[in-house]
Amino acid sequence: EDQVTQSPEALRLQEGESSSLNCSYTVSGLRGLFWYRQDPGKGPEFLFTLYSAGEEKEKERLKATLTKKESFLHITAPKPEDSATYLCAVRGTSGSRLTFGEGTQLTVNP
Amino acid sequence: DSGVTQTPKHLITATGQRVTLRCSPRSGDLSVYWYQQSLDQGLQFLIQYYNGEERAKGNILERFSAQQFPDLHSELNLSSLELGDSALYFCASSAPREGQGADTQYFGPGTRLTVL
Repeated sequence: EDQVTQSPEALRLQEGESSSLNCSYTVSGLRGLFWYRQDPGKGPEFLFTLYSAGEEKEKERLKATLTKKESFLHITAPKPEDSATYLCAVRGTSGSRLTFGEGTQLTVNP
Repeated sequence: DSGVTQTPKHLITATGQRVTLRCSPRSGDLSVYWYQQSLDQGLQFLIQYYNGEERAKGNILERFSAQQFPDLHSELNLSSLELGDSALYFCASSAPREGQGADTQYFGPGTRLTVL
């Protein structure tokens, strides 16, 4: 069974204070690791897909990296508008479903 | 805006009732997925349809059913509702990706179901 664990559960940062969110996973044959951003009461917004260890992707202040056991979402010089819950999900060879972690709730204070 | 639409946005109903949630995928996407998000369980996969056919099933209760129509929109039917069915229900869609990697799922805005 695929499993995803995200840490920390919650993170408070000051504006400009860089940090990283962790996503540890176990999956039978990784076919993709996905990062989403979710605002309260809204649908998950797609950020990145990573397919193989060593892959990195960047978008504005966010950078996602992937190893064989975990993924990191690095946030550089965050702004208050980056406040949201960040979700990590994996898809393995066992089927089409995404298995999600519980998310990291990020708050960036001005 | 992901291009996935869901109606209604909010639904309030009573225990024992039946409701239908509707989803229109992004233009050209053949796969539709349904997920449930509750406070204590996070996002849980329910079911997937591909071009009108059921492709995969997750933790979907027997009281729940879904279908995908020829125009590719999908409906999730929830019956004999219980208090514990109160949750956000999301639809996602995807297009096949070339190569071995999984296609990306794009999520709709969700339907908030409240069962009283």
